[in-house]
Amino acid sequence: DAGVIQSPRHEVTEMGQEVTLRCKPISGHNSLFWYRQTMMRGLELLIYFNNNVPIDDSGMPEDRFSAKMPNASFSTLKIQPSEPRDSAVYFCASSRGGEGEKLFFGSGTQLSVL
Amino acid sequence: RKEVEQDPGPFNVPEGATVAFNCTYSNSASQSFFWYRQDCRKEPKLLMSVYSSGNEDGRFTAQLNRASQYISLLIRDSKLSDSATYLCVVKKNDMRFGAGTRLTVKP
Repeated sequence: DAGVIQSPRHEVTEMGQEVTLRCKPISGHNSLFWYRQTMMRGLELLIYFNNNVPIDDSGMPEDRFSAKMPNASFSTLKIQPSEPRDSAVYFCASSRGGEGEKLFFGSGTQLSVL
Repeated sequence: RKEVEQDPGPFNVPEGATVAFNCTYSNSASQSFFWYRQDCRKEPKLLMSVYSSGNEDGRFTAQLNRASQYISLLIRDSKLSDSATYLCVVKKNDMRFGAGTRLTVKP
């Protein structure tokens, strides 16, 4: 079975540009999570969806960040405009949902904003 | 106070040593608990779930103390390949990660 698929693997952009990160969860999983990881702050939950509906976006740092899940097999995380402090590894993860269900991660997107 | 707190380490131990990691969580309504392992420049991967009765998987033992809101991971007979960062994870509705504990096993 294919795991969680993220694209791109690496993104280098200039400050002020729009960045879109993409995620395809594991088929049959109904919960999707976006995390950001930095050395200073570790893994931070940005937002999560259940059945394509955003449940908690309190971790989204600013209005510059937005996430969508138009269907069960695709989600995007957009940063507009990007800033150097957004540089991090962004992980998407999915699970079946429910108590005890494990989280499966994609390989992440390494974002560098210059 | 952070929702999930771990000793960041680093732990540097010789091969064959026994090492223990601890984790505390603040939300008493948390339902599920896990340990994940993350290798350098890789995604986190599930190591094991943590059950109230405690559970063992080979050289790894996980324990949960709900009254103290405390989770532990014990690694026996550590191998070079155990070198990684170990992340404590607590779930209520979402999944919250600790900052991780860095382990280096040396020959």
